[in-house]
Amino acid sequence: DAMVIQNPRYQVTQFGKPVTLSCSQTLNHNVMYWYQQKSSQAPKLLFHYYDKDFNNEADTPDNFQSRRPNTSFCFLDIRSPGLGDAAMYLCATSRTTGVPLEETQYFGPGTRLLVL
Amino acid sequence: ELKVEQNPLFLSMQEGKNYTIYCNYSTTSDRLYWYRQDPGKSLESLFVLLSNGAVKQEGRLMASLDTKARLSTLHITAAVHDLSATYFCAVGYPGTYKYIFGTGTRLKVLA
Repeated sequence: DAMVIQNPRYQVTQFGKPVTLSCSQTLNHNVMYWYQQKSSQAPKLLFHYYDKDFNNEADTPDNFQSRRPNTSFCFLDIRSPGLGDAAMYLCATSRTTGVPLEETQYFGPGTRLLVL
Repeated sequence: ELKVEQNPLFLSMQEGKNYTIYCNYSTTSDRLYWYRQDPGKSLESLFVLLSNGAVKQEGRLMASLDTKARLSTLHITAAVHDLSATYFCAVGYPGTYKYIFGTGTRLKVLA
């Protein structure tokens, strides 16, 4: 089945130790998103790729970076995780067809990050 | 700037009762989504609403959209325990492929 896959599902890191979360998709969607969701809060968009074009949200800290080496893969790098970065990180994809009904976001299962 | 608000934030209701969750947004948009999220899980897409007056129904949930009032509702009919979850609306940011999520409504259905 076509889907959005995130690895790992759970990640424990130490304060200040760089960490990378990965997302892959078999949907061949051209848009990929990274959201941060803290406990009892709404998902917050960090950035998204429209094809190869990177779009950063104005309030996304510089500590968060992303890479998209090809259509299928997208990575979230946290250069120096702080305690406040502990959250669920959700990857999502969508495709642009010009038909809004076909442009629904599909979410991966998420990676829960714990910072010690 | 697009802002999306939901109310109520928390909702505790008895099984068999009806209730409505509201989603207000601040600027024009051509798409609105409703999602369900169970604790510790990802988001499950429920409905996509695209035009004024759109109504979608699935089981005990019905969603509607009033683009003039910039308001969407998610109506729950004869609630059952299995509907306990957090419900989010998300609005498409005009001219982009970004989506802004509402604050979420945590629903608890009591047996």
